[in-house]
Amino acid sequence: QKEVEQDPGPLSVPEGAIVSLNCTYSNSAFQYFMWYRQYSRKGPELLMYTYSSGNKEDGRFTAQVDKSSKYISLFIRDSQPSDSATYLCAMRATNFGNEKLTFGTGTRLTIIP
Amino acid sequence: DGGITQSPKYLFRKEGQNVTLSCEQNLNHDAMYWYRQDPGQGLRLIYYSQIVNDFQKGDIAEGYSVSREKKESFPLTVTSAQKNPTAFYLCASSPKATNEKLFFGSGTQLSVL
Repeated sequence: QKEVEQDPGPLSVPEGAIVSLNCTYSNSAFQYFMWYRQYSRKGPELLMYTYSSGNKEDGRFTAQVDKSSKYISLFIRDSQPSDSATYLCAMRATNFGNEKLTFGTGTRLTIIP
Repeated sequence: DGGITQSPKYLFRKEGQNVTLSCEQNLNHDAMYWYRQDPGQGLRLIYYSQIVNDFQKGDIAEGYSVSREKKESFPLTVTSAQKNPTAFYLCASSPKATNEKLFFGSGTQLSVL
């Protein structure tokens, strides 16, 4: 079983819809949770960063972490064609010597005008 | 204009040949990383460096080598021992090793002739 599971999609939604992207994980030591956006043949860019449980909002984006269920989500409101990209979740534990990130496989999202 | 520069954008390797991918950053970051991205797989860590003249193996270091002689530069050599080198290679940096906020370059696509 992979440490981080992410549905690869592809996911297509009409412009203006709310998008929900999710990851599940098995390592209870994960404390830092991130979402990266990657346009085709480009490097990923950090979208959202959350420590431990709870919600974080930034403009049209909301990140949620539910540590009891080992489940994280990214919501995109009022989706735009420019949101079409691959979204990667990433996580890290806090224990010393284990600083590296573990990435999900990415979900490919297309917003249809 | 700060950032991470990877070159070349596309690279072709002949069988038995070593090739070197360049990564330069002017963000004054301490830590630098090399990831490999294959279709349907998450980013996998090849090597990382937390400080000049020091580096550690990641999850898939076999067939690769790195050096960190300068803070700004972290080149990756794909050796002939790497039997399946075709992939998209991403270089990243972070202010310090335990910082989850990675900044990525735009990637190098390596293909085998």
